[in-house]
Amino acid sequence: QLQLQESGPRLVKPSETLSLTCTVSGGSISNVDFYWGWIRQPPGKGLEWIGSIYYDGSTYYNPSLGSRVTMSVDTSKNQFSLRLNSVTAADTAVYYCAREGPRIASMTDWGQGTLVTVSS
Amino acid sequence: QSVLTQPPSVSAAPGQKVTISCSGTSSNIGNSYVSWYQQLPGTAPKLLIYDNYKRPSGIPDRFSGSKSGTSATLGITGLQTGDEAHYYCGTWDTSLSAGRVFGGGTKLTVL
Repeated sequence: QLQLQESGPRLVKPSETLSLTCTVSGGSISNVDFYWGWIRQPPGKGLEWIGSIYYDGSTYYNPSLGSRVTMSVDTSKNQFSLRLNSVTAADTAVYYCAREGPRIASMTDWGQGTLVTVSS
Repeated sequence: QSVLTQPPSVSAAPGQKVTISCSGTSSNIGNSYVSWYQQLPGTAPKLLIYDNYKRPSGIPDRFSGSKSGTSATLGITGLQTGDEAHYYCGTWDTSLSAGRVFGGGTKLTVL
């Protein structure tokens, strides 16, 4: 059974960079049928797609986040990562990693999520 | 403001049926497949419906999905108190550089 686990700092200072890693177990991140995505949810609000990455490194990002987002994949470790720079309090949210596919935008499996707080 | 529009809340009594709508445009729902997610309190979302109407293994047939034009609908029959949750629709928007989009979510209350 596929499992995804987010890891990374839970507290980030304003203007700094948020970094998270998702470790995938029970399946290969190199599976050609799937993308790997990040979704966030501010406290008490809805879901926001951040971006998706393919095993070959191809990326798709939410235009609303502009150039602040970078995603990468490490197939040797079966992990993919998120970096969000110049964070503000508005970036405080539960961050989920997910497996997407085979249909684009169908998030079939989710991590448990990790709350990241932006505060000095 | 979400790209896909859902009612903020719906309610119904146990055993009854409820529907949740998701409205979009020709650049998203009108030309793509819709998924539905259930988010129980304090947990991660779970895929309920994909490809407009298909159910992943383990999802009971009390849950159903449909799509017509630029709108999609989630139906839940035989409501149980355990169905009380937030429900989100999601799809792909061709006008947003292959962006994935979600609805704002609907809170289902089982009275």
